[in-house]
Amino acid sequence: AQKITQTQPGMFVQEKEAVTLDCTYDTSDQSYGLFWYKQPSSGEMIFLIYQGSYDEQNATEGRYSLNFQKARKSANLVISASQLGDSAMYFCAMRERISSGSARQLTFGSGTQLTVLP
Amino acid sequence: DTEVTQTPKHLVMGMTNKKSLKCEQHMGHRAMYWYKQKAKKPPELMFVYSYEKLSINESVPSRFSPECPNSSLLNLHLHALQPEDSALYLCASSQEARRETQYFGPGTRLLVL
Repeated sequence: AQKITQTQPGMFVQEKEAVTLDCTYDTSDQSYGLFWYKQPSSGEMIFLIYQGSYDEQNATEGRYSLNFQKARKSANLVISASQLGDSAMYFCAMRERISSGSARQLTFGSGTQLTVLP
Repeated sequence: DTEVTQTPKHLVMGMTNKKSLKCEQHMGHRAMYWYKQKAKKPPELMFVYSYEKLSINESVPSRFSPECPNSSLLNLHLHALQPEDSALYLCASSQEARRETQYFGPGTRLLVL
């Protein structure tokens, strides 16, 4: 079963408007972390924002905020005031413990391709 | 500074060639990772090094051979690759394997002919 689900393969938003990218997750761990990364066509994965499972407040980083709803197991990314440079693939990822014990790894969703229209 | 560098940016190789990908970070991170990413897909974890020791090998074929000469460097040696190995290879590092925020390099685009 998928552990990270991004149901929007593609999204369009008008420049200067806000957009929400959806992410739901599944884990039995009590301690986990959720991340959003941006990947432009150049290929580099750029870290945007992090939310820990015990964090009570939603994370914010500039124009990025994470709408964390723990009971619903969702961690949606909100981008305010979209810019043309925001056009990219966006990946939601979860850090969780793996079977080998102390090591952890990131599990990525399938991604959402965001296009910002002028 | 959260910079991870990777060389080369692009690589074309034949199936009989031997080549190496290089990754470097100077953030004092003690965990380093190799990922493989096919077009329009999420990255897939290949290897994890924690404190310069291989801690995870995700059943990667032996034609991929990782090496961690020191805490700042990570290499991926390639030998007898197949065309299906063509992909973007991403390196990442984090403070420790247990902790969060992996920072990625720009990747190496590999084409195997």
